[in-house]
Amino acid sequence: DAGVIQSPRHEVTEMGQEVTLRCKPISGHNSLFWYRQTMMRGLELLIYFNNNVPIDDSGMPEDRFSAKMPNASFSTLKIQPSEPRDSAVYFCASSPGSSWETQYFGPGTRLLVL
Amino acid sequence: GNSVTQMEGPVTLSEEAFLTINCTYTATGYPSLFWYVQYPGEGLQLLLKATKADDKGSNKGFEATYRKETTSFHLEKGSVQVSDSAVYFCALLRNSGNTPLVFGKGTRLSVIA
Repeated sequence: DAGVIQSPRHEVTEMGQEVTLRCKPISGHNSLFWYRQTMMRGLELLIYFNNNVPIDDSGMPEDRFSAKMPNASFSTLKIQPSEPRDSAVYFCASSPGSSWETQYFGPGTRLLVL
Repeated sequence: GNSVTQMEGPVTLSEEAFLTINCTYTATGYPSLFWYVQYPGEGLQLLLKATKADDKGSNKGFEATYRKETTSFHLEKGSVQVSDSAVYFCALLRNSGNTPLVFGKGTRLSVIA
C-alpha cells in the first residue's frame, strides 16, 4: 500500500497567488482530513470528509480556503489568494469507515508564501 | 471544552536514558487518549492508545497509562535510542458525538549518541 500521497511536497509562492494542494487517500478509506501545522498553533483540523461529503469545515480559517473531494480517491485544498500567514505544513490524512482514531497521515506539503 | 497540554520541548536525552513526556487533558466525559509520533519529514503515526481509565497503551517500548484521577497520559520509555528522535503528540477523542481528535502542540525529542 502506497499510503496517503500528497503533492507537491514543497511549494513556494508569492502573496496573492493561488495555491492548490492535492491528496490521494488510501484506497478503501472513507474519511479524509486536512490539517495545518504551525509552530504557533500546533496541529489544527481544517476540514474533514466522509464518503466524499464535507462533514465539518469549521476549522477552515476564512473564505480564501476551500476544499473539495470530487471522488473517493482525490481531494484538493485551495488557497486563493494566498498570504504569508498561510505558510505552514499541510497534512492530509485518511481513515477507514468514519474512524477518527486510526488516521493515516501523508508526508505533508510545506508551503511558504512570500 | 476539550484540550490537551503537553510539556514544552525540546527534550534532549542521551541514548539509553529514561524518557517521560507529560500530557494532561481536559474533557467532558471519558475520552480515548493517544500518542502520535512524527519522524522528520513524515506525517504523524499512531504510537499507542488507551480507551478507558487505568488502561495502559504500549508499543515499541513506549508506554502510557490512562489516569483519570489526575487526567494524565504521560508517555514513558525506559531506554531511548537515537532513532526515537521525533516530535510526540498527545491527543484525545471524545467517545460520543461527532468531534475531531484534539492534539497537543507536540514535544520534540532529540536523542544523542
